[in-house]
Amino acid sequence: QVQLVESGGGVVQPGRSLRLSCAASGFTFSNNGMHWVRQAPGKGLEWVAVIWYDGSTKYYADSVKGRFTISRDNSKDTLYLQMNNLRGEDTAVYYCARDPTMIVMYPDYWGQGTLVTVSS
Amino acid sequence: AIQLTQSPSSLSASVGDRVTITCRASQGISSALAWYQQKPGKAPKLLMYDASTLESGVPSRFSGSGSATDFTLTISSLQPEDFATYYCQQFHSYPPLTFGGGTKVEIK
Repeated sequence: QVQLVESGGGVVQPGRSLRLSCAASGFTFSNNGMHWVRQAPGKGLEWVAVIWYDGSTKYYADSVKGRFTISRDNSKDTLYLQMNNLRGEDTAVYYCARDPTMIVMYPDYWGQGTLVTVSS
Repeated sequence: AIQLTQSPSSLSASVGDRVTITCRASQGISSALAWYQQKPGKAPKLLMYDASTLESGVPSRFSGSGSATDFTLTISSLQPEDFATYYCQQFHSYPPLTFGGGTKVEIK
């Protein structure tokens, strides 16, 4: 069965960096696009970024463009989100999610999320 | 960016009730819409894609309809496990992919 396990969350000061990881199993990772979606405490879902199956194309939400970088290592079945210059408004649970296609449609399977808290 | 407006933002209903949630897009998105269910402290779960295609394993009491700008998610007979928050999401035009604001279904 598809399994996605996020790690790397924690408390970080504003302006600092953090890298999230998402370990995938139960499917052929290199065949699927992958997303990051976040949810601030008590708020709705916000799409953050997506990467094509081969890493060749990436898209970002305007709120994170230039600060966050999505990447993947298909040899390790792992998705990453490098977050730089973090702000208070980046505080959220970050979910990695699989796309059912090689590129971009919608997330079908989701991990359980990792909490990022940006606070001094 | 395409905006999705869900209504109502919350509703109270009883077990056995028929429940309808609406999602309106700021511009036409064909049938490129998905619906998710999220329970407190849990990850979202895909219910429907392409506006009306039921994801495998999702009970048939859930149905979706609509195209272009107006979409609905219907629960034909609300069950105790259906009390949750529901989100729509468009994948017609990106970036960004966008979600609706959510509809919380509570017990009356």
